[in-house]
Amino acid sequence: GAVVSQHPSWVICKSGTSVKIECRSLDFQATTMFWYRQFPKQSLMLMATSNEGSKATYEQGVEKDKFLINHASLTLSTLTVTSAHPEDSSFYICSARDGAALSGNTIYFGEGSWLTVV
Amino acid sequence: DAKTTQPPSMDCAEGRAANLPCNHSTISGNEYVYWYRQIHSQGPQYIIHGLKNNETNEMASLIITEDRKSSTLILPHATLRDTAVYYCIVRVTLGTGYALNFGKGTSLLVTP
Repeated sequence: GAVVSQHPSWVICKSGTSVKIECRSLDFQATTMFWYRQFPKQSLMLMATSNEGSKATYEQGVEKDKFLINHASLTLSTLTVTSAHPEDSSFYICSARDGAALSGNTIYFGEGSWLTVV
Repeated sequence: DAKTTQPPSMDCAEGRAANLPCNHSTISGNEYVYWYRQIHSQGPQYIIHGLKNNETNEMASLIITEDRKSSTLILPHATLRDTAVYYCIVRVTLGTGYALNFGKGTSLLVTP
């Protein structure tokens, strides 16, 4: 099946610093990518939707100035957590929509990135 | 998107078929039923999707009732590696802006 890769898989950063997470679609072009956050024992929560070449659309309650999303190409989207705080520690997951007709617009997920802010 | 209802947890013996139900009584005519699963500490994995006909692939079978108000995901021969949280999601497939909205899913435990 289609592959979506995230990097890094886990990262520890100091409070107040920024950290960038990359999401790549390896074998298909993704015009739309989605970013989720998941806290322990909870379900995935959609943070934002990004379309290639345009500004991301954020879900209610998600600060766009804190979670910067860039989708500069059809295979790469990045999420930057700015001025990270311990409460931002979470599992961040990206997904990408395969827009090819044969795939039926199926959405594939990355492996996730664990962020720990100390 | 239509709301889905799944049992919070299920057990299944290894080698047996695991039948995971999902209710989606408010589904619209243009909404598909998608199934994903999430193994602990990993990203969700696509399993299967369908509109109204039953579907089968190398991972599972999807049975959708004639009125489309419910469906069942069948793992024909469950293994220990199938232990995961299974999510049933109803979504319109066309268009660029339609994200997958996850509920709480069913936590499936496959036992030896």
